Amino acid sequence: GESVGLHLPTLSVQEGDNSIINCAYSNSASDYFIWYKQESGKGPQFIIDIRSNMDKRQGQRVTVLLNKTVKHLSLQIAATQPGDSAVYFCAENLSSNDYKLSFGAGTTVTVRA
Amino acid sequence: DGGITQSPKYLFRKEGQNVTLSCEQNLNHDAMYWYRQDPGQGLRLIYYSQIVNDFQKGDIAEGYSVSREKKESFPLTVTSAQKNPTAFYLCASSLGHGPYEQYFGPGTRLTVT
Repeated sequence: GESVGLHLPTLSVQEGDNSIINCAYSNSASDYFIWYKQESGKGPQFIIDIRSNMDKRQGQRVTVLLNKTVKHLSLQIAATQPGDSAVYFCAENLSSNDYKLSFGAGTTVTVRA
Repeated sequence: DGGITQSPKYLFRKEGQNVTLSCEQNLNHDAMYWYRQDPGQGLRLIYYSQIVNDFQKGDIAEGYSVSREKKESFPLTVTSAQKNPTAFYLCASSLGHGPYEQYFGPGTRLTVT
């Protein structure tokens, strides 16, 4: 079964507000995590990644937080824009000896004008 | 431009026919992957290849076959044995030796009637 999941399947956000998308994982040995954005009918696009030796990583308008104690990953999007409307997936690499990623079911983010 | 191409974008087939989906990358990546995505769900791994002339079954390989004769190409054949082949198929590639970011193609939507 899947070891990566998301707390909420949908999230509605007011334009300009910050968005927080959550993800729980079950494999404490996972050493790499990644967030993707998928727009309708397209392939997923890389947003940001983080390794298990880090707690936080920032990109352009996005921040990923990793809490290994409770096996929780979150993606924060600052000043959410209409173009941020998409499905967001978290994924984990289960082992440093394995190149595969295990994906969660995704959270659909809708930005309200 | 470097990237991954998938063709065709839409594909229609009659039940009982085999169909081959194309995936090409010019990123010089060693590893390539095929995923299946059903509506409202995450990505499920069908097959992956870490090097030319080698490939491994993913979580849902039954009814599918692949080949990896060239580094740039990783075609997927959906056989008549696949009981529910209608889905969105995504191809991805990665360096294969870390970091583990996977780059995705635009996808092929296969409809079998």
